[in-house]
Amino acid sequence: ETGVTQTPRHLVMGMTNKKSLKCEQHLGHNAMYWYKQSAKKPLELMFVYNFKEQTENNSVPSRFSPECPNSSHLFLHLHTLQPEDSALYLCASSQDGGQGDRYGYTFGSGTRLTVV
Amino acid sequence: GESVGLHLPTLSVQEGDNSIINCAYSNSASDYFIWYKQESGKGPQFIIDIRSNMDKRQGQRVTVLLNKTVKHLSLQIAATQPGDSAVYFCAEIPFYGQNFVFGPGTRLSVLP
Repeated sequence: ETGVTQTPRHLVMGMTNKKSLKCEQHLGHNAMYWYKQSAKKPLELMFVYNFKEQTENNSVPSRFSPECPNSSHLFLHLHTLQPEDSALYLCASSQDGGQGDRYGYTFGSGTRLTVV
Repeated sequence: GESVGLHLPTLSVQEGDNSIINCAYSNSASDYFIWYKQESGKGPQFIIDIRSNMDKRQGQRVTVLLNKTVKHLSLQIAATQPGDSAVYFCAEIPFYGQNFVFGPGTRLSVLP
């Protein structure tokens, strides 16, 4: 266990379904991230939250909707996904040093999402 | 734009031998680099990091070398073990305060 917990570990959903991925970090970090990892592609940064505020959205389609209610929890709400959205979705957290330094960048184990 | 890439997508080594995984980066101003290991079914795990003011850093059985002249990063694993089989990613922060840019990864297979 890395200190970043993601649930569920596996998810199969239809294209008309609505589901949510959950991430919780127990490290006291103040920044949280969503990444997408698909076959043969580098890790793609999706969203960044610093101190619960979204600071980055890397041109992610609106069918992905993040939510960060507090510094320890991060959600990714999914609706009307496409089969090409099938991937491993990874959450990470870090401590933002306030001057751009990011310490302790830690990943969760990911949610393996399959869209059918 | 800035990119982080890997010279070899796959690497097979004999158990007990040393492994060297390479990574090229394009931004000479990059300040901070990390190597991650990702085992099957798990998220990337931190192995070792290095700042641009260093050339070498050693951990337990691992060494990271940074050659800023040619913008090259390498991870050396001594006495490779079966448990080292995984995908290894290098990552850089291209600009101060920016987010990590990850390379595509190298799969390391340890042969018995």
